[in-house]
Amino acid sequence: AQSVTQLGSHVSVSEGALVLLRCNYSSSVPPYLFWYVQYPNQGLQLLLKYTSAATLVKGINGFEAEFKKSETSFHLTKPSAHMSDAAEYFCAVSESGGSYIPTFGRGTSLIVHP
Amino acid sequence: NAGVTQTPKFQVLKTGQSMTLQCAQDMNHEYMSWYRQDPGMGLRLIHYSVGAGITDQGEVPNGYNVSRSTTEDFPLRLLSAAPSQTSVYFCASKGGTDQFFGPGTRLTVL
Repeated sequence: AQSVTQLGSHVSVSEGALVLLRCNYSSSVPPYLFWYVQYPNQGLQLLLKYTSAATLVKGINGFEAEFKKSETSFHLTKPSAHMSDAAEYFCAVSESGGSYIPTFGRGTSLIVHP
Repeated sequence: NAGVTQTPKFQVLKTGQSMTLQCAQDMNHEYMSWYRQDPGMGLRLIHYSVGAGITDQGEVPNGYNVSRSTTEDFPLRLLSAAPSQTSVYFCASKGGTDQFFGPGTRLTVL
């Protein structure tokens, strides 16, 4: 069984500040982990993924995430927020091997203030 | 390469009406799935398919039917719409470890 918990349904930052979106997972087998972004009235777009290679993963738009097995975490960070980063962010987990059916977290809405 | 397409973009139904949400992909992916997105609930899996002729239920399958006659198409059918099915529906296809999402269908059931 697998599950994802995203801490904070809303995160508010000022433009230029650090972005930190938290994701903790549960999986009975080694996981694959994903972050997706959803801009208003659009579908989901893959930001980055961890598939058992490097634990620090870099994605698009300056985002990165670090897989920490001991903490069962995969937090998303960006050093400096931009107004265009305002969106909904989803963490997802799937089990490596098998059919890779992902389970999504409930999402975190990132609000960026000028 | 259009990716994943969904039609319609918007739909309003009355309780008890039926309809089919269309989904197509041109990436020759075997795995396709349907999700619904509700505020504060994230994405919940309705049904999925691992290839033509093979479908299975996800987390919230009640009230929905699917079939997969071709690799390209994976329609979602609502046989008797209920207000609880008001939601945004996303279709996705998966190649390797990556899922590709369609733009969504916003459905309102009155």
